[in-house]
Amino acid sequence: SQQGEEDPQALSIQEGENATMNCSYKTSINNLQWYRQNSGRGLVHLILIRSNEREKHSGRLRVTLDTSKKSSSLLITASRAADTASYFCATDLFREAGSYQLTFGKGTKLSVIP
Amino acid sequence: ETGVTQTPRHLVMGMTNKKSLKCEQHLGHNAMYWYKQSAKKPLELMFVYSLEERVENNSVPSRFSPECPNSSHLFLHLHTLQPEDSALYLCASSPSASLEQFFGPGTRLTVL
Repeated sequence: SQQGEEDPQALSIQEGENATMNCSYKTSINNLQWYRQNSGRGLVHLILIRSNEREKHSGRLRVTLDTSKKSSSLLITASRAADTASYFCATDLFREAGSYQLTFGKGTKLSVIP
Repeated sequence: ETGVTQTPRHLVMGMTNKKSLKCEQHLGHNAMYWYKQSAKKPLELMFVYSLEERVENNSVPSRFSPECPNSSHLFLHLHTLQPEDSALYLCASSPSASLEQFFGPGTRLTVL
């Protein structure tokens, strides 16, 4: 089934270090998105990268996409304690008219230690 | 949490109760979604409405019944739930297909 799988499942780093999370998926996509979720709350959209893009930046976030390997990475630079959260990648099935169906992975739980 | 509200935030119900979850968005989006998030499982898409018409229904049991009376409101009617239905239920909206979704804070549901 179409699914994003994040790796690692959990990551613990010191404040100021960089955090890298990876996502793999199985079939062709229109785009890939990354979301963040603080414990027990709703998800917040971070960044969307289209299938014809290879890299995208937003503030301290850097996302790469390799469609040949069906994988993406999210890099958070100079991490802060407030970055502690779960991070999810989400993929949509490739359809000509776009897809409403996002498939989420199980997420990477990031802990940033002050 | 950015323009999408959900009520109630917490709900405890017995298996024979009937309750409804409410979602509201004032972002002018055309699509609205219900997701279920259980511990240690990926987020599960339940229903999608686009322009008030249901466009996705991912084999959800009939004890969950969605309703979209207009483009700003979405309900999830609950009836005869099971303890395994206890989860965080998230509502989201998006401008169109394949674009970023905006999530509400969720309703934490406990079925006794």
